[in-house]
Amino acid sequence: QSALTQPASVSGSPGQSITISCAASNGDVGNYYLVSWYQHHPGKAPKLMIYEDTKRPSGLSDRFSGSKSGNTASLTISGLQAEDEADYYCCSYADSGTYVIFGGGTKLTVL
Amino acid sequence: QVHLQESGPGLVKPSETLSLTCTVSGGSVSSYYWSWIRQSPGKGLEWIGHMYYSGRIKYNPSLKSRVTISVDMSKNQFLLKLTSVTAADTAVYYCARYYGSGSFVWFDPWGPGTLVTVSS
Repeated sequence: QSALTQPASVSGSPGQSITISCAASNGDVGNYYLVSWYQHHPGKAPKLMIYEDTKRPSGLSDRFSGSKSGNTASLTISGLQAEDEADYYCCSYADSGTYVIFGGGTKLTVL
Repeated sequence: QVHLQESGPGLVKPSETLSLTCTVSGGSVSSYYWSWIRQSPGKGLEWIGHMYYSGRIKYNPSLKSRVTISVDMSKNQFLLKLTSVTAADTAVYYCARYYGSGSFVWFDPWGPGTLVTVSS
């Protein structure tokens, strides 16, 4: 069964850059399917940050960027700010588009 | 700008049916695909399914036998029914607008979520 694996946690100091990885268990993501990313502050609605691997929704800060290499997608946040502290999830199709899967989530701590 | 709001009972007894409503404002429920997603306590996000008003529907295979997603165009709402619930169905349930095609999928916007607890 397809899966997206993220690190459980990452941390960084204000002003620094961090990268969150999202590794697919098979070749679906690398060969065909595109990844989206979500920011989730507990108790609030998740927010779309990146779609189709690299695209930013209108109005979103350019401190957030997405990339992909092979079967691993990445979300990079530059110029870390306190308000970036949240959980981040990647998302894609699985099993030839049969269903949608999310990564397990990464908790970002801004030190 | 589309806004979504979930509503429904916060407590459901085991073996009964969970029923939630997502009210769409700022847009028509007949114009897009709509989805339900949940997050169990301490766990990640789980896609439940999505549908288009005309009847095109896709469900998570792990929930397919118990899930029904439907649309009420007269009220501009879409609905979730989950039968035979157990404690494992305790979660915050989110509704979201779904964008997807052959190779891509994303959800935007999302509702704030509603907590449903399964307990006797």
